[in-house]
Amino acid sequence: DVKVTQSSRYLVKRTGEKVFLECVQDMDHENMFWYRQDPGLGLRLIYFSYDVKMKEKGDIPEGYSVSREKKERFSLILESASTNQTSMYLCANAGTGDNEQFFGPGTRLTVL
Amino acid sequence: AQSVTQLDSQVPVFEEAPVELRCNYSSSVSVYLFWYVQYPNQGLQLLLKYLSGSTLVKGINGFEAEFNKSQTSFHLRKPSVHISDTAEYFCAVSEGWASGSRLTFGEGTQLTVNP
Repeated sequence: DVKVTQSSRYLVKRTGEKVFLECVQDMDHENMFWYRQDPGLGLRLIYFSYDVKMKEKGDIPEGYSVSREKKERFSLILESASTNQTSMYLCANAGTGDNEQFFGPGTRLTVL
Repeated sequence: AQSVTQLDSQVPVFEEAPVELRCNYSSSVSVYLFWYVQYPNQGLQLLLKYLSGSTLVKGINGFEAEFNKSQTSFHLRKPSVHISDTAEYFCAVSEGWASGSRLTFGEGTQLTVNP
């Protein structure tokens, strides 16, 4: 059974804290993605990666950074969390040339 | 740039009734189209996808969608819904090989099936 796992289902942090969200996939896929999901706005792409140590900005990268040191792991970093980053964060992956994306269960982050 | 519009944010229906969830897209090139479903407190899972070929695509759980290039639409349909179909549905578009698997999602449609 293929899996995409995210480090936490629920997370509560304080304003100004550094936050790490981790995503691990066992599908040997090259492409990995981080989205945030907000009511009425759908999914918006934050960052994506085509390969180890490669990253590309998505539509809303401000306030976020990413790290991909290994093929199976893609981390999203909030350098200094703010209340407007309270959201559901979804990780996904896809194979090369295959536009179907496979999603993790999501992390619901609350910043107080 | 590509974009996706889901025309209804909420669709309430009664059990065993037919349903249509509407999706329109804009793109200057050929596209791939997807419908995903999200059950409460879960990630997204693929319902169906259109890559090429027949414009009528069948997916899981009895859903189907029709690609209409002239109307730039990809509406999702089911002839008879169940309570278990209550979920949020997302339409997504990709500009194929050139996009490197990148998807643009619509705003989502909450389908609520009532007894």
